[in-house]
Amino acid sequence: NAGVTQTPKFQVLKTGQSMTLQCAQDMNHEYMSWYRQDPGMGLRLIHYSVGAGITDQGEVPNGYNVSRSTTEDFPLRLLSAAPSQTSVYFCASSYGLAVPGEQYFGPGTRLTVT
Amino acid sequence: SQKIEQNSEALNIQEGKTATLTCNYTNYSPAYLQWYRQDPGRGPVFLLLIRENEKEKRKERLKVTFDTTLKQSLFHITASQPADSATYLCALDPNTGGFKTIFGAGTRLFVKA
Repeated sequence: NAGVTQTPKFQVLKTGQSMTLQCAQDMNHEYMSWYRQDPGMGLRLIHYSVGAGITDQGEVPNGYNVSRSTTEDFPLRLLSAAPSQTSVYFCASSYGLAVPGEQYFGPGTRLTVT
Repeated sequence: SQKIEQNSEALNIQEGKTATLTCNYTNYSPAYLQWYRQDPGRGPVFLLLIRENEKEKRKERLKVTFDTTLKQSLFHITASQPADSATYLCALDPNTGGFKTIFGAGTRLFVKA
């Protein structure tokens, strides 16, 4: 199993550009989430999904869109990048209610917006 | 307001000693609490989950306690090793079914040989 994979590993964007961060998991997990991690702060939930076709907002959703057309993939779209979106982004997946809590994280994408 | 707090100061200990990390939370009544390990430049890795009706949980050299009255969890690493040096994150689910996990900022642990 590859687990949770994320691409790209690093990205530099100019203000106003858009891009998609990719996330895939091969564990047939029901739940998937996107977090951002900033220095001195805990991981903050951006969007999450409890199954294919079902997504919802987390704590900091503004400026981001998600979709989940398959169980495996959960891309995160930045609509118009802003310097405040400079951060490290982590995708995570979990079994869901069957095994609550335990999340598997990807390696992260380090994004810089200039 | 609701929050989850971990000691922001790094913890430095000598190899072989027990490391104890603290996680305090306010205004939550979580069904369970989790601990993760994060190495620099990597994603968090799940370590342990403890439920509200469990006072203590162990896994090899790791021990977690959960006091719902004090709203506190303690994470212990016994016989610590330099390889245990990392940031440890506390996380809880505010009874949303496991999809809105709240994370603390983490405590950095350094174990000196």
